[in-house]
Amino acid sequence: AQSVAQPEDQVNVAEGNPLTVKCTYSVSGNPYLFWYVQYPNRGLQFLLKYITGDNLVKGSYGFEAEFNKSQTSFHLKKPSALVSDSALYFCAVRNSGYSTLTFGKGTMLLVSP
Amino acid sequence: DVKVTQSSRYLVKRTGEKVFLECVQDMDHENMFWYRQDPGLGLRLIYFSYDVKMKEKGDIPEGYSVSREKKERFSLILESASTNQTSMYLCASSKTSGRSSKNIQYFGAGTRLSVL
Repeated sequence: AQSVAQPEDQVNVAEGNPLTVKCTYSVSGNPYLFWYVQYPNRGLQFLLKYITGDNLVKGSYGFEAEFNKSQTSFHLKKPSALVSDSALYFCAVRNSGYSTLTFGKGTMLLVSP
Repeated sequence: DVKVTQSSRYLVKRTGEKVFLECVQDMDHENMFWYRQDPGLGLRLIYFSYDVKMKEKGDIPEGYSVSREKKERFSLILESASTNQTSMYLCASSKTSGRSSKNIQYFGAGTRLSVL
């Protein structure tokens, strides 16, 4: 079965500093990986996805993610954090044979001014 | 833009009531999903549907049922609500085809259900 792990419940970073939100995955076959963001009292919004191709994927709001097959990781990154980036971030992997996704437990990102 | 609309943002129901949560999407997506979101547990899939009148159980279907009579509408039903079903419920939809958009799920704003 596919699974993803987000090892940090919370990440704290100062505005202007680079940020990383970690995700590792376990899949059989080629991984289809996603990042979503959830702002307070809202649904999830798609940020970016990796299917094949370049290991560095660019997405919305200046976010990017680095796919590393040997480390089975798909970390979310941004060069310079904004206070408005404070939100809950979810990593997800597509389940083989279906259109369903398995989500991680989420990581709260707090960006301080 | 894709729009997924959940009929209620907040609901308060009593134990034993039958509860209907409605979800409508306007992008002709084949797939629709119901999740519940609880702190520390992330999102857990309750049911999904890949076509009209089709449904598949997700990871936690117990105590729930679904209905998909039209392509754009997917309803979640709590047959007899219990306090442990107090949660945030999220609906999503996705396309089956299309290289760039395939498998991207689009979410509604959520329904926060309290069962007293």
